[in-house]
Amino acid sequence: GENVEQHPSTLSVQEGDSAVIKCTYSDSASNYFPWYKQELGKGPQLIIDIRSNVGEKKDQRIAVTLNKTAKHFSLHITETQPEDSAVYFCAASIRSEYGNKLVFGAGTILRVKS
Amino acid sequence: NAGVTQTPKFQVLKTGQSMTLQCAQDMNHNSMYWYRQDPGMGLRLIYYSASEGTTDKGEVPNGYNVSRLNKREFSLRLESAAPSQTSVYFCASRLTLSYEQYFGPGTRLTVT
Repeated sequence: GENVEQHPSTLSVQEGDSAVIKCTYSDSASNYFPWYKQELGKGPQLIIDIRSNVGEKKDQRIAVTLNKTAKHFSLHITETQPEDSAVYFCAASIRSEYGNKLVFGAGTILRVKS
Repeated sequence: NAGVTQTPKFQVLKTGQSMTLQCAQDMNHNSMYWYRQDPGMGLRLIYYSASEGTTDKGEVPNGYNVSRLNKREFSLRLESAAPSQTSVYFCASRLTLSYEQYFGPGTRLTVT
């Protein structure tokens, strides 16, 4: 089955610096790759996603890149701010007989120091 | 529009007790999911329901049962709770034509 590995598990950056989180996946049939942000005591919230027919997508300070050949995708946050501190999860989609499912990475704790 | 709601927010059970976690969504989504979140392990799928009347096992279904009561509601039942089921449980929903899943606020369950 699909396996998603996420690195690093924790990341500390200075306010204003960039942060990069990387994920690899195993199922070449996966075609949708979302990133979720989870703040303390809350459920995960989608921040950006990318489909397999696109190599890069940007939304203000956040960007995601996808390399289908190498089966890896990355989240880039520029000009980090204290409110970016949270747990970030990557995921990859898999299709099954009963519908689409997501397989999640283990998560990255991002701390932005001011 | 409340989105995805879960009850209760917190629960403490003794080993062997049973309980049902409730989830409801008001977005007219067809698919619903139950995940558990444990430190260092991300979100793992317990069960999901692609549409009303259908359910299927996810990655970690043992010890759980689900009921898709109607299009809005998807409940998760622990028949005989075990300490290994101590976790934070999240419900999510998705519109069929979209990949995006919307998550509820979670239920923190402790089994002693």
